[in-house]
Amino acid sequence: DAGVIQSPRHEVTEMGQEVTLRCKPISGHNSLFWYRQTMMRGLELLIYFNNNVPIDDSGMPEDRFSAKMPNASFSTLKIQPSEPRDSAVYFCASSLVTDNSPLHFGNGTRLTVT
Amino acid sequence: GENVEQHPSTLSVQEGDSAVIKCTYSDSASNYFPWYKQELGKRPQLIIDIRSNVGEKKDQRIAVTLNKTAKHFSLHITETQPEDSAVYFCAAPPGFQKLVFGTGTRLLVSP
Repeated sequence: DAGVIQSPRHEVTEMGQEVTLRCKPISGHNSLFWYRQTMMRGLELLIYFNNNVPIDDSGMPEDRFSAKMPNASFSTLKIQPSEPRDSAVYFCASSLVTDNSPLHFGNGTRLTVT
Repeated sequence: GENVEQHPSTLSVQEGDSAVIKCTYSDSASNYFPWYKQELGKRPQLIIDIRSNVGEKKDQRIAVTLNKTAKHFSLHITETQPEDSAVYFCAAPPGFQKLVFGTGTRLLVSP
């Protein structure tokens, strides 16, 4: 299995631009999570989906952030407009829809907003 | 909501020594406690987990202990090696599937 695949690996953009991060979960996993990692705040859960349906988006920082999962093999996290404080590593993770199922993380997207 | 505290924030040991990292959690309903290892520039990877129906679990040089009464759990690494150098995160679930992570412990193992 290729694992969780994220793209791009690095993204550098200017303040105000739209940014789209992409994720392909492990085949057969039906839960998908978006996390953000910064030095100051650590690993924060932004949103997660079960069977393509958003379950909890309470971690999404503000309306500039949106996430979609149009099918079982693809999800996007969009930031519009981006701001310098959005600079972070964004991880996608997937698991099975069962309690206590381990998370499998992708390699992350390092976002830099200048 | 769940609050997970982790300490120490940094830990330096000599190769061959043991290392212990501790976490406390606030939600008494939490029943699953994983530990992740993150090497520099890489993704977090699960190294061991424990469920609330057991008090200890071992996997070669690593072990995790759980004290549900005191609401804390610990990661123990014995015979540390330089390749154990990384940031280690504990986590606990405040609800179904959600995981709240600790702030991480940077472990440095010197040869």
